[in-house]
Amino acid sequence: GESVGLHLPTLSVQEGDNSIINCAYSNSASDYFIWYKQESGKGPQFIIDIRSNMDKRQGQRVTVLLNKTVKHLSLQIAATQPGDSAVYFCAENTDDYKLSFGAGTTVTVRA
Amino acid sequence: DTEVTQTPKHLVMGMTNKKSLKCEQHMGHRAMYWYKQKAKKPPELMFVYSYEKLSINESVPSRFSPECPNSSLLNLHLHALQPEDSALYLCASSQVQGVENTIYFGEGSWLTVV
Repeated sequence: GESVGLHLPTLSVQEGDNSIINCAYSNSASDYFIWYKQESGKGPQFIIDIRSNMDKRQGQRVTVLLNKTVKHLSLQIAATQPGDSAVYFCAENTDDYKLSFGAGTTVTVRA
Repeated sequence: DTEVTQTPKHLVMGMTNKKSLKCEQHMGHRAMYWYKQKAKKPPELMFVYSYEKLSINESVPSRFSPECPNSSLLNLHLHALQPEDSALYLCASSQVQGVENTIYFGEGSWLTVV
């Protein structure tokens, strides 16, 4: 699989490989985190969420990992498919109930 | 498919025009949001309505005027906009306003100000 240790704006991955998208958050008081997928010309689509009392959550082909010690969040996509090409945003729900988005990572799947 | 519906999908307006963006959800959500998204940037919060009352205004210029006629509808009235206001305007909703409430987005309204 392909991964990035730090947040990078783009990620190119071979179809069938696993991808890992990283996100650093800033507010240690954040209790809830969401990953969104935004395809070209569409609104952000909910993928998976995780609460601060968890360190891992799995969905269909996706896994989110939360490391509160270093304030790091990652999204793993198994067996990446062409339909996974999109911009992926992490978002944190801060203590004043606002959803703050990260800068986004553009994932391109190579055939 | 999203259950938050936005109209129109595309809007072109002049700087002296008055127009409105509309949003509807039938999920029984009591919190509704307007976000603005510029190209290749993350969405930025503009307004939050909770139980039909304006809860958060992120210092948005008065040329943007939100309205929540009932628990299912959210409007954004536009007047005397500038070309730099051209962007994707996203409506969203959640069960209630608060931590650990998933926010669901509509497909957005693409606004071009000429």
